[in-house]
Amino acid sequence: QVQLQESGPGLVKPSETLSLLCTVSGASISPDYWTWIRQPPGKGLEWIGTIYYSGTTYDNPSLKSRATISVDTSKNQLSLKLNSVTAADTAVYYCARGANVFFTWGQGTLVTVSS
Amino acid sequence: EIVLTQSPATLSLSPGDRATLSCRASQIISTYLVWYQQKPGQAPRLLIYDASNRAAGIPARFSGGGSGTDFTLTISSLEPEDFAVYYCQQRDSWPRTFGQGTRVDI
Repeated sequence: QVQLQESGPGLVKPSETLSLLCTVSGASISPDYWTWIRQPPGKGLEWIGTIYYSGTTYDNPSLKSRATISVDTSKNQLSLKLNSVTAADTAVYYCARGANVFFTWGQGTLVTVSS
Repeated sequence: EIVLTQSPATLSLSPGDRATLSCRASQIISTYLVWYQQKPGQAPRLLIYDASNRAAGIPARFSGGGSGTDFTLTISSLEPEDFAVYYCQQRDSWPRTFGQGTRVDI
């Protein structure tokens, strides 16, 4: 059974960089697609970006190139870095398996942007 | 970017009722439409993919239909555990986009 677990700081200061990890268990990161999605409190879902295990990425233009997604196949992990954060980046961040259909999701981790 | 518009925003029903949720795409997306269910404090769960295919383990009371720009998710007879928020998502093109959600309330 595939499981995904997000981890990272729950509080980030404005203008700094948000960094999250997603550890995959029960399956290999390769060869597959992996995605980050976020959800502001009380709001809907926003696709952040998708990465293929080889490193090819697809990003959401709405984030204006602030997001960087990468994979570490040796650790079976993917990561998300989002720079120049503001309060609008406060959200639950999910990692998910897939590029087209998100079959499996992590439980999510809340990141609050505040000084 | 493809915009998905879900209606209604809230559906107030009772157990045993039939629920019909709508998702309209701003351009033709064939049958590349996915439905998820989300309960409070939980991650979304995949229900339906490619408009009408139930995901593994999803009860038969959930069904999806539509093609082109208009899609529906139907719950034939609501169970207490079905009261949740439902999102549609398109997989036709990048960026992937979601609808704003429909809340099914008691």
